[in-house]
Amino acid sequence: AQSVTQLDSQVPVFEEAPVELRCNYSSSVSVYLFWYVQYPNQGLQLLLKYLSGSTLVKGINGFEAEFNKSQTSFHLRKPSVHISDTAEYFCAVSEGNTGKLIFGQGTTLQVKP
Amino acid sequence: GAVVSQHPSWVICKSGTSVKIECRSLDFQATTMFWYRQFPKQSLMLMATSNEGSKATYEQGVEKDKFLINHASLTLSTLTVTSAHPEDSSFYICSASRQVDYGYTFGSGTRLTVV
Repeated sequence: AQSVTQLDSQVPVFEEAPVELRCNYSSSVSVYLFWYVQYPNQGLQLLLKYLSGSTLVKGINGFEAEFNKSQTSFHLRKPSVHISDTAEYFCAVSEGNTGKLIFGQGTTLQVKP
Repeated sequence: GAVVSQHPSWVICKSGTSVKIECRSLDFQATTMFWYRQFPKQSLMLMATSNEGSKATYEQGVEKDKFLINHASLTLSTLTVTSAHPEDSSFYICSASRQVDYGYTFGSGTRLTVV
């Protein structure tokens, strides 16, 4: 079975600083990988996804992620964060034959002024 | 495009009553929808996979008789929490998968409070 581990439960960072949110997955087959953002009491918004091709994926709001097959990682990065980036971030992997999305535990990004 | 509407956004009900939550894909057909439950400060837990025209597939530990799922059309799936109790209070989120770009679109969630 596939699983996703987000290595940091909380990441505090100052405004305009760079940030990296770490995600590792376990799977014996090819996977599709996703990063979502969730604001309080709301659903999830897709930031970016990796299906195939280039390992560097660019998403919305200046976020990008790099798929590393050898390290089974899909870390999310942003070179300069804003206060408005404060939210919960979820990494997810799809289960190929069922299409299920399996989520990591989530990382709370706290951007401080 | 690719909008999923979830209704209601919040509901308060008395213990013992049933509550229905609707999930609609507004501008695409969703043969598969997923229902998640989320506790405060926690991740999303998949409850079941809903396929149009067939019975839902429930995850281990999810009570089928308590959480009734119906996917009667390509644009609508419903989750009914039957005989709700305070421990069923949670945030419920639906998701619809899109075959065209292998994407998932999420509803805005339903906050259920059972009193």
